[in-house]
Amino acid sequence: EAGVAQSPRYKIIEKRQSVAFWCNPISGHATLYWYQQILGQGPKLLIQFQNNGVVDDSQLPKDRFSAERLKGVDSTLKIQPAKLEDSAVYLCASSLGAVGTDEKLFFGSGTQLSVL
Amino acid sequence: AQKVTQAQTEISVVEKEDVTLDCVYETRDTTYYLFWYKQPPSGELVFLIRRNSFDEQNEISGRYSWNFQKSTSSFNFTITASQVVDSAVYFCALSDHGSSNYQLIWGAGTKLIIKP
Repeated sequence: EAGVAQSPRYKIIEKRQSVAFWCNPISGHATLYWYQQILGQGPKLLIQFQNNGVVDDSQLPKDRFSAERLKGVDSTLKIQPAKLEDSAVYLCASSLGAVGTDEKLFFGSGTQLSVL
Repeated sequence: AQKVTQAQTEISVVEKEDVTLDCVYETRDTTYYLFWYKQPPSGELVFLIRRNSFDEQNEISGRYSWNFQKSTSSFNFTITASQVVDSAVYFCALSDHGSSNYQLIWGAGTKLIIKP
C-alpha cells in the first residue's frame, strides 16, 4: 500500500518569497492534516480537512498561509510571503475515518523548509 | 487545559539495555485516547500504539511495552533489549475532545540514542 506522498523533500527560499508544498494522502483516506514541526518540538496542527472541507484552521496564520484540498484528494499548502520563523518541517498526514474518530495517523516524510 | 509532558529531552543507552520513556498527561475529559509515535531520522512519524482511557491493561508488542496508569496520568513506554534501530525521537500524544474541533495534543518528544 502506498503511503502519504509529499514533495518537495527540501526547499530553501529567501524571506518574502512564496513556496508551496504538495501532499497526496493514502487512497480512500477521508481526513488530511498539515502540521508544522519546528526543530526540537512536537508537531503543531495547522489545518485539517475532511474530504474537501476545512474542519479546523484555527492555528493557520491566514495572513500568509493558505491550503486547499481540491476534490477531497491531494492538498497544497502555500506560504506567501515567507518569514524566517517559518523555517520548519511541514508534515502531511491522513487518516481513514472522519475527524474525531481517534484513528491513527499516517504521515509523509515531510518537507524541510529553510527561510534565509 | 489538555497537556502532554515528556520530561526526558534526550536519553542515551548502550545497545541491549532496557529503557523507559515517560509520558504524563493532563485532561478533564473522561474519554480520551493516548498515542505513541516514533520519528526516525528519515522524518516520517510512525504510529506505535493507541490506548483508550477505559483500558488500563498493559500492552506488550515484541520488545515494546506500555504501562498506562490513570492514577498518575502516565502512559510510559519501555523498550526491552534496545537495538540501534530504535534510535529515534518518540512522541506521546493525547486526543483532545474538549475543544470545538478534535485535535491531537503532542508532547515535545524524547530523543532516544542507542549506542552500539
